[in-house]
Amino acid sequence: EDKVVQSPLSLVVHEGDTVTLNCSYEVTNFRSLLWYKQEKKAPTFLFMLTSSGIEKKSGRLSSILDKKELFSILNITATQTGDSAVYLCAGDTGNQFYFGTGTSLTVIP
Amino acid sequence: DTEVTQTPKHLVMGMTNKKSLKCEQHMGHRAMYWYKQKAKKPPELMFVYSYEKLSINESVPSRFSPECPNSSLLNLHLHALQPEDSALYLCASSQEQGGGRSYNSPLHFGNGTRLTVT
Repeated sequence: EDKVVQSPLSLVVHEGDTVTLNCSYEVTNFRSLLWYKQEKKAPTFLFMLTSSGIEKKSGRLSSILDKKELFSILNITATQTGDSAVYLCAGDTGNQFYFGTGTSLTVIP
Repeated sequence: DTEVTQTPKHLVMGMTNKKSLKCEQHMGHRAMYWYKQKAKKPPELMFVYSYEKLSINESVPSRFSPECPNSSLLNLHLHALQPEDSALYLCASSQEQGGGRSYNSPLHFGNGTRLTVT
């Protein structure tokens, strides 16, 4: 059975802290791993990772994939209150996307 | 604003009503999806259309009926819903179904329709 597990389930940090969110997956015919940020409504796309060991970066956010160990991490440095959201990862089978339960991040001033 | 547009944003309906949710994208994507999301849960796949044909139905009850009139439009017809069907309904699209052959086809979500069944 395809499965995507995220940890921690929730996290509270202070502004300026660095956080690491984890995503492990067991997905049949794995093709890529995606990260999304969801505030009140639509999940917004962050990264799509297909190759092991290649870091993708966007500003203070970065992510990397380990296809041997079947996991990915999302790092956020110098967190801001605007980073407060649920972060979802999804495994892509080439047929559909399986979402993890998400990590709820709260950044307090 | 997202490039996938959903209407209405909010919908309240009784258990005997018939209503429809609408979704539109103009990115030339050939795959469109309906997801259901309950509070504090991840999006749960309902249906996938690929090239206007139903590709996946995740054993969704028949009171939910999808329709893809053309490659840009996706509807979800609702009839005789139950209160437990209250949720955020998200439409999404991607260039091709799943990640696509080019490995560069993430899901793009609309803002969703918040549905309440009374």
